[in-house]
Amino acid sequence: DAKTTQPNSMESNEEEPVHLPCNHSTISGTDYIHWYRQLPSQGPEYVIHGLTSNVNNRMASLAIAEDRKSSTLILHRATLRDAAVYYCILRSGAGSYQLTFGKGTKLSVIP
Amino acid sequence: EADIYQTPRYLVIGTGKKITLECSQTMGHDKMYWYQQDPGMELHLIHYSYGVNSTEKGDLSSESTVSRIRTEHFPLTLESARPSHTSQYLCASSDPLKTGQGASGANVLTFGAGSRLTVL
Repeated sequence: DAKTTQPNSMESNEEEPVHLPCNHSTISGTDYIHWYRQLPSQGPEYVIHGLTSNVNNRMASLAIAEDRKSSTLILHRATLRDAAVYYCILRSGAGSYQLTFGKGTKLSVIP
Repeated sequence: EADIYQTPRYLVIGTGKKITLECSQTMGHDKMYWYQQDPGMELHLIHYSYGVNSTEKGDLSSESTVSRIRTEHFPLTLESARPSHTSQYLCASSDPLKTGQGASGANVLTFGAGSRLTVL
């Protein structure tokens, strides 16, 4: 599986936007970019995914670079409930259904 | 609201005991997974199943075993627990055709709340 690189930790003030970066320079043409987050003492939950175009849903936005070698998860207004570990994961669209989790970015939200 | 259930949530047992961690999902998903996660560390895939009577080992070697006799049920068993098995075990399920996401690239995983195992 192609590898992703994320900062170990980030901080944000409450009610401000947060941009969580992810580098995936070895991404292949069939790899989808997935984001999950894991709140303390819970299992991971799906946030968003995309292939080439930017994506929006009720939780977040995903901005994908034109060369697809990086992406950014955008939380438009951070709340205390957004404090979690955020995982950027590549999943091949060619048959494999497993997800390989890395270390992710631990987001702290400051009141 | 959770559609995937894990029991027990917490278990403390002595060395040598046999344990089974239960995982059930009500979404009719074909694909199910077990991940292991130590505190503050990454999740590691230890088992997965793409359907009834289908099980495979994941990336991380594990002494546990799994079975998939029914679509909705994917239990994990340790025949003889040891302190090295102390960890959190997370069950997940997915089905790309039922996520409402369209393309197979979705395959959104839904996780349970986890079973935290402590072996003394």
